[in-house]
Amino acid sequence: DVKVTQSSRYLVKRTGEKVFLECVQDMDHENMFWYRQDPGLGLRLIYFSYDVKMKEKGDIPEGYSVSREKKERFSLILESASTNQTSMYLCASRPEYGESSTDTQYFGPGTRLTVL
Amino acid sequence: KQEVTQIPAALSVPEGENLVLNCSFTDSAIYNLQWFRQDPGKGLTSLLLIQSSQREQTSGRLNASLDKSSGRSTLYIAASQPGDSATYLCAVSMNRDDKIIFGKGTRLHILP
Repeated sequence: DVKVTQSSRYLVKRTGEKVFLECVQDMDHENMFWYRQDPGLGLRLIYFSYDVKMKEKGDIPEGYSVSREKKERFSLILESASTNQTSMYLCASRPEYGESSTDTQYFGPGTRLTVL
Repeated sequence: KQEVTQIPAALSVPEGENLVLNCSFTDSAIYNLQWFRQDPGKGLTSLLLIQSSQREQTSGRLNASLDKSSGRSTLYIAASQPGDSATYLCAVSMNRDDKIIFGKGTRLHILP
């Protein structure tokens, strides 16, 4: 089974801190994604990556950056955390697209971040 | 811009009933459509994926249908059980390569 792990289930940080959220997948997937999920707003894509050292902005990249130095690891960075970044953060990975019913995204368990 | 809508936002049904969850999308030129399940405070699990050339997919008590021309998909759950209680999300991809667009989900509660 594909496994996507996230470094923390719960995290509490203070305004202005630099925050690192780590995501690791064990299936050699090329594509990785970071989302945030908020009540009433659903899932919103922050950043994604097609390959090592490659990154693309999603719908809401402001206030975030990412790093992908190794294929299995995709990090989300909050340079200076703010209270409006309190949210559930979900990481996902996906193999290279093909005509297959298994070409879905596999999600980690999520990190609930609270910024005080 | 593609928009995915799921109505209702929440639904409660007695155990044992068959039920249908609805998803609509504004741009019919999709590449594929997926249904996910999310338990409270957890990540998403893919249930069914339908390619644009397909009309339906089945897995156990779940059946998902796709009508591209009308911009609709349904997820049919047969003989519902309390363990089916979760939020169900519909999501579409517009092409092979990148992001998928999620609906906001239907929160399903099966009453014992």
